[in-house]
Amino acid sequence: DIQMTQSPSSLSASVGDRVTITCRASQSISSYLNWYQQKPGKAPKLLIYAASSLQSGVPSRFSGSGSGTDFTLTISSLQPEDFATYYCQQSYSTFTFGPGTKVDIK
Amino acid sequence: QVQLQESGPGLVKPSQTLSLTCTVSGGSISSGGYYWSWIRQHPGKGLEWIGYIYYSGSTYYNPSLKSRVTISVDTSKNQFSLKLSSVTAADTAVYYCARQLDSSGYLFDYWGQGTLVTVSS
Repeated sequence: DIQMTQSPSSLSASVGDRVTITCRASQSISSYLNWYQQKPGKAPKLLIYAASSLQSGVPSRFSGSGSGTDFTLTISSLQPEDFATYYCQQSYSTFTFGPGTKVDIK
Repeated sequence: QVQLQESGPGLVKPSQTLSLTCTVSGGSISSGGYYWSWIRQHPGKGLEWIGYIYYSGSTYYNPSLKSRVTISVDTSKNQFSLKLSSVTAADTAVYYCARQLDSSGYLFDYWGQGTLVTVSS
């Protein structure tokens, strides 16, 4: 199984901050990496697919990068609606999710 | 706009079989190009993919759950279903159905709202 890790597990930030979340795979997954946002009581929402492609309708302040084993999700200027938990998901072999990164208000 | 809706019992007794159905609207399961997946989330925890089915009936399951999982499809009703046998308290979770692209990253682009299933006597 390919294991996914994320860091940090949680972070506190202010509106307007630049936020970076890291996801690491236990082996190379090329660019088979997607990012999701989940708010309490809601289903996850797709943000980024194939490591760096922005899903339609998602604000451009979200961006993704990386390939192989190391990936990042960046929010260029955090907005109030961005406080949520973020998950990475690999689709190289079966489908596994990272443990999540909770972004809350400082 | 594609919409998915889970339905089924919210309470299941230990050792019994959990059964859920996902009804798809705004698009046809039979159109191809997508897998139809089940994903669960234990309370306060991360996400676990359970398995998927294609409209043709072909399936692929998470190896960790494979011995207990059956996913089926009813294209005439535009529904797909999950059965998880021999459940224990460890199967208590929110269960989501989702549409998964069958190429270009195998992303999950549409999700149901989720349904909480509690395993308890």
